[in-house]
Amino acid sequence: EVQLVESGGGLVQPGGSLRLSCAASGFTFSSYWMYWVRQAPGEGLVWVSRINKDGTTMTYADSAKGRFTASRDNAKNMLYLQMNSLRADDTAVYFCARMDGCSRTSCYGNYGLNVWGQGTTVTVFS
Amino acid sequence: QSVLSQPPSASGTPGQRVSISCSGSNSNIGRNYVYWYQLLPGSAPKLLIYTDNQRPSGVPDRFSASKSGTSASLAISGLRSEDEADYYCAGWDDSLSGLEFGGGTKLTVL
Repeated sequence: EVQLVESGGGLVQPGGSLRLSCAASGFTFSSYWMYWVRQAPGEGLVWVSRINKDGTTMTYADSAKGRFTASRDNAKNMLYLQMNSLRADDTAVYFCARMDGCSRTSCYGNYGLNVWGQGTTVTVFS
Repeated sequence: QSVLSQPPSASGTPGQRVSISCSGSNSNIGRNYVYWYQLLPGSAPKLLIYTDNQRPSGVPDRFSASKSGTSASLAISGLRSEDEADYYCAGWDDSLSGLEFGGGTKLTVL
């Protein structure tokens, strides 16, 4: 079964750090670009970051630049999101998702975020 | 504030056809593909449409989509109670160099 399972969420104070993990199974993890998307309480979906197949290229939303770092370990089928300098507006459910149809260098014309995890909740409170 | 604009709500009765619009610009919808996602309460998002109008396997043909210029729309025909969910358009924005989601449309089946 194709599956993504997030973990690592929790309660953290402003300025703190968390590392989210996403365990992939049932497919060849190294063949896919991976994305992080979040949903704040009562709000819509917001893209956070993406990482290419071999982990050499990462792209971030402006809200994540300089604070969040995406990485992956293809040998372990794991995706990570290191979140530093957390703020109250980072409070959200964080989803990892698989992007289908990307080439080695581009996701133009992709087939969409076709596999999603159930999400892990991050709460930043003071 | 998203660069892709959707109406906050839509509604219809069972069996009816409803449409949800998504308005963008030349930096996103105008030159890149549009995707549609369904988000049921307490569930992970589900891909409904990719590359403007293609359905992944398993998505009923009651769901269809189109695009013209800088606007796109999702249509749901033969509305069912289980279609009650939030619907999001999405696509790459060249100016922002990022994936953008619309604000979402909450569909109510009356």
